[in-house]
Amino acid sequence: AQKVTQAQTEISVVEKEDVTLDCVYETRDTTYYLFWYKQPPSGELVFLIRRNSFDEQNEISGRYSWNFQKSTSSFNFTITASQVVDSAVYFCALSEPYGGSQGNLIFGKGTKLSVKP
Amino acid sequence: DAGVIQSPRHEVTEMGQEVTLRCKPISGHDYLFWYRQTMMRGLELLIYFNNNVPIDDSGMPEDRFSAKMPNASFSTLKIQPSEPRDSAVYFCASTDGQGRYRYEQYFGPGTRLTVT
Repeated sequence: AQKVTQAQTEISVVEKEDVTLDCVYETRDTTYYLFWYKQPPSGELVFLIRRNSFDEQNEISGRYSWNFQKSTSSFNFTITASQVVDSAVYFCALSEPYGGSQGNLIFGKGTKLSVKP
Repeated sequence: DAGVIQSPRHEVTEMGQEVTLRCKPISGHDYLFWYRQTMMRGLELLIYFNNNVPIDDSGMPEDRFSAKMPNASFSTLKIQPSEPRDSAVYFCASTDGQGRYRYEQYFGPGTRLTVT
């Protein structure tokens, strides 16, 4: 069965620290997609990244980087030099498209990140 | 380019009343999803549509919930009668099933529903 586990419920750091958010997933399929979403205190869900199962290249976008390792079924997210504005709940999600379907997003429980000045 | 639009943003109603939540997907997107977020269950899919046709409604909790998509630019989620346990944030999301960014779901701001 599909499952996404974010073991860290809450993390608190001081501004400028680096922080890594862990995500472990379970799937039976060879074709799947992994995502990270950010939910700031205002409540909206903001798309951050999509990664497909055939592309294990790490990705960097500004202060954000993602490490995808199929061998450990992990898709971890690192924020470098964290800022107060990074304070939010971060969700990892899995999608298993099949046939012509888009599938649906299976979300982890989220990790609440608090960045203190 | 406008994102996914949801209305109302907040809804407070009494138990037993009918509630209708509305969603306008991103223009050109052919998939529309309804999710619910609660503290206990997190984010869970209720139903999704492709080209206005419901594809998977297995997440709809019970017959009190119904969803429609009469055209490509509008969907509703109705709860009748509402119960306090329906209190949650309801999100609508859409995606382009054919384009380069397919599978990327973009979410609306959500409707916070409180049933007293």
